[in-house]
Amino acid sequence: GQQLNQSPQSMFIQEGEDVSMNCTSSSIFNTWLWYKQDPGEGPVLLIALYKAGELTSNGRLTAQFGITRKDSFLNISASIPSDVGIYFCAGPRMDSSYKLIFGSGTRLLVRP
Amino acid sequence: GAGVSQSPRYKVAKRGQDVALRCDPISGHVSLFWYQQALGQGPEFLTYFQNEAQLDKSGLPSDRFFAERPEGSVSTLKIQRTQQEDSAVYLCASTALTGPLEETQYFGPGTRLLVL
Repeated sequence: GQQLNQSPQSMFIQEGEDVSMNCTSSSIFNTWLWYKQDPGEGPVLLIALYKAGELTSNGRLTAQFGITRKDSFLNISASIPSDVGIYFCAGPRMDSSYKLIFGSGTRLLVRP
Repeated sequence: GAGVSQSPRYKVAKRGQDVALRCDPISGHVSLFWYQQALGQGPEFLTYFQNEAQLDKSGLPSDRFFAERPEGSVSTLKIQRTQQEDSAVYLCASTALTGPLEETQYFGPGTRLLVL
């Protein structure tokens, strides 16, 4: 079935550094979503991508929908302590668009 | 409140006990979803309601899991005869739409279930 592979699994960076994480799949996705989950909370949508090649920004966040439709990346510029959390990529299943498939997440820790 | 709420936030159950987890979606939201999130993993789809109709329950792991939404608002996920492998965070999400739903699923904070 469709699966999403995220890398890296975790990152420990210095405040102010830029961060890049990505998500790949062996199958095509028509939509890519990036969520952030804080400890003890549910995921919150950060960015949604709908077209191959699309590049979208949300403040210090930038995400791109890969040309092959099998990958996406998320960049965070000038990281701050509140960026700490788990970042998930997700996409709808081809057979049922309401069923979201999530990657296993990238855990980000920021050293002040 | 304005968001999706879930209760209880934490539940410890003895193996074999029945549990009931509640979700209050955002007022007026037509569609409601339950997800299961194991430790260190992303959420996995369990079931989907449109109003009171359960349109998809293909993700429920066994017949011990049962979900309902009798009046099309509040939903309850019930797990009978809990097992240790049921330990996870159970997330509820809702959306106002009935079409392609991926963009606007708003998640609650989850219920953390620990089965001893």
